[in-house]
Amino acid sequence: GEDVEQSLFLSVREGDSSVINCTYTDSSSTYLYWYKQEPGAGLQLLTYIFSNMDMKQDQRLTVLLNKKDKHLSLRIADTQTGDSAIYFCAEIRYNFNKFYFGSGTKLNVKP
Amino acid sequence: GAGVSQSPSNKVTEKGKDVELRCDPISGHTALYWYRQSLGQGLEFLIYFQGNSAPDKSGLPSDRFSAERTGGSVSTLTIQRTQQEDSAVYLCASSLDLQGYTFGSGTRLTVV
Repeated sequence: GEDVEQSLFLSVREGDSSVINCTYTDSSSTYLYWYKQEPGAGLQLLTYIFSNMDMKQDQRLTVLLNKKDKHLSLRIADTQTGDSAIYFCAEIRYNFNKFYFGSGTKLNVKP
Repeated sequence: GAGVSQSPSNKVTEKGKDVELRCDPISGHTALYWYRQSLGQGLEFLIYFQGNSAPDKSGLPSDRFSAERTGGSVSTLTIQRTQQEDSAVYLCASSLDLQGYTFGSGTRLTVV
């Protein structure tokens, strides 16, 4: 199938780490992305990883890619209330013509 | 401009009327996408423009939907004879390469 799957909700306490998981279906995927959508706002690109990489770190964000299992994760260290948002995983495939998005994970950060 | 600009930001229309949604991509970006996000749903691909190539219209849900991109820049998404199920946030994104997709803030369309 074409589905990119994510769990719908995640709740963490401020200061804890958050891990948002995503599974994708196409082994030919080239780039994989994480987008953040705050309430009432558009999508903001957080980070991306090329398919020949296993890990990418950018400040509080760590992306892990397991190509064998087609599993992508986003870890947010020291989660803050401002991180509360919906996080979308997306892949772009060999033909480069469109993204395939997951349904989004709503992250709730409790003070 | 500095970002992708969409207008209007909100649109309320009566069922059966036509609407036009506009997207101004980042200058120089050759790729332009339209997506829509229904309440509580993920993102649904609508259409993709790349340079002068024929657009990929495979995501348009019905023949009431059409889009054009003039001069490789501004794009207009037109919905004819709007229906209540068309209510959604319509998002536009543009890119120069695979690493730099930028989304606009979207147009929230409400069909009453």
